[in-house]
Amino acid sequence: DAKTTQPTSMDCAEGRAANLPCNHSTISGNEYVYWYRQIHSQGPQYIIHGLKNNETNEMASLIITEDRKSSTLILPHATLRDTAVYYCIVRVRYNFNKFYFGSGTKLNVKP
Amino acid sequence: DAGVIQSPRHEVTEMGQEVTLRCKPISGHNSLFWYRQTMMRGLELLIYFNNNVPIDDSGMPEDRFSAKMPNASFSTLKIQPSEPRDSAVYFCASSSEPATEAFFGQGTRLTVV
Repeated sequence: DAKTTQPTSMDCAEGRAANLPCNHSTISGNEYVYWYRQIHSQGPQYIIHGLKNNETNEMASLIITEDRKSSTLILPHATLRDTAVYYCIVRVRYNFNKFYFGSGTKLNVKP
Repeated sequence: DAGVIQSPRHEVTEMGQEVTLRCKPISGHNSLFWYRQTMMRGLELLIYFNNNVPIDDSGMPEDRFSAKMPNASFSTLKIQPSEPRDSAVYFCASSSEPATEAFFGQGTRLTVV
């Protein structure tokens, strides 16, 4: 599976949009982009995934560039409860034996 | 739905002892995963089951680790004998096909002294 590169940490003011970038320049055509987050001491939580079109759900939006080499997770109105480590993962759908987590981005939402 | 249930939540044991971690996946899910998380190595996939059959155990660190899934509603991860370097948080996750996201349990924090 393609590897991902994410910033180690980011800060965001409460109520503002949080934009978390992810580079996946070696992504292949059948690999999806997934985002998970892990709030301190809890298990990772699924957020959203996409192939090439932008996606939106109740938690976040996912913007994937046209060449699919990078993506951005957007939390439209960050709250203190969104403070967590956010993981960007690329993998072939249904291929759970290669569902690898990188080091992620620690998002600090500040009042 | 109660989600993925892991037990115990915390385990402290002495080096050399056998440790058994337990997981109940979400009902109806046919895939189950065991992960280990440490500060140094992050989240590592240990083993993956599909329809109760181990598919890939290449992440299992050594022979001291073993995992079983006797039925669709229960799995165990056993460490025998345990060592201090096994101290970590162990997560169990499950998923169903064709859905692609995995749902994680709250984890078991293992401390081997």
